[in-house]
Amino acid sequence: KAGVTQTPRYLIKTRGQQVTLSCSPISGHRSVSWYQQTPGQGLQFLFEYFSETQRNKGNFPGRFSGRQFSNSRSEMNVSTLELGDSALYLCASSLGGRGWSYEQYFGPGTRLTVT
Amino acid sequence: AQSVTQLDSQVPVFEEAPVELRCNYSSSVSVYLFWYVQYPNQGLQLLLKYLSGSTLVKGINGFEAEFNKSQTSFHLRKPSVHISDTAEYFCAVSRGSGGGADGLTFGKGTHLIIQP
Repeated sequence: KAGVTQTPRYLIKTRGQQVTLSCSPISGHRSVSWYQQTPGQGLQFLFEYFSETQRNKGNFPGRFSGRQFSNSRSEMNVSTLELGDSALYLCASSLGGRGWSYEQYFGPGTRLTVT
Repeated sequence: AQSVTQLDSQVPVFEEAPVELRCNYSSSVSVYLFWYVQYPNQGLQLLLKYLSGSTLVKGINGFEAEFNKSQTSFHLRKPSVHISDTAEYFCAVSRGSGGGADGLTFGKGTHLIIQP
């Protein structure tokens, strides 16, 4: 079974631009979560999508948004990029269901650098 | 909201020696607890999880962890480490049954360094 894939793996953008990251979950998984990983703040939860609906949301500004398609693939968008948005963005998929008991499978991440 | 503290940012250990990585959490509600490992340039991989039941949880690669509710701890142990265990280890907590809006809350990570 193929794992979680994220594209692109590396990205360089300029302040003020916007960016879209993509995540393809494991086949059959309906839940996709996004996390931001930085050296200073560590791993922080952005949001979770389940069956095309945002089910949970972390404490990030509205510049961070996402969506999920009918095939469970998910995209994350960051508008008006700031230097502080430079990070590794990780996507995780799981079977879903209520609560967080289902194992989350993480992708390799997209390394975003904002200059 | 919950929080996680990993007490050691770095732990050097000699190969074949035992290791313990410490994790303490704070939460006003019941929780699920997890340990993840991250190898360089890779995503996170689940080592083990505690949802309920036996407080001693066994995971992959010979790791185990013990849930201690009174001390709000979930320390990770391995009796004999190998060079291949060199990685970053993350303790995480989520709200227990019923879900929660804040997803998984991670600790800052512990870098396990295996010395030959």
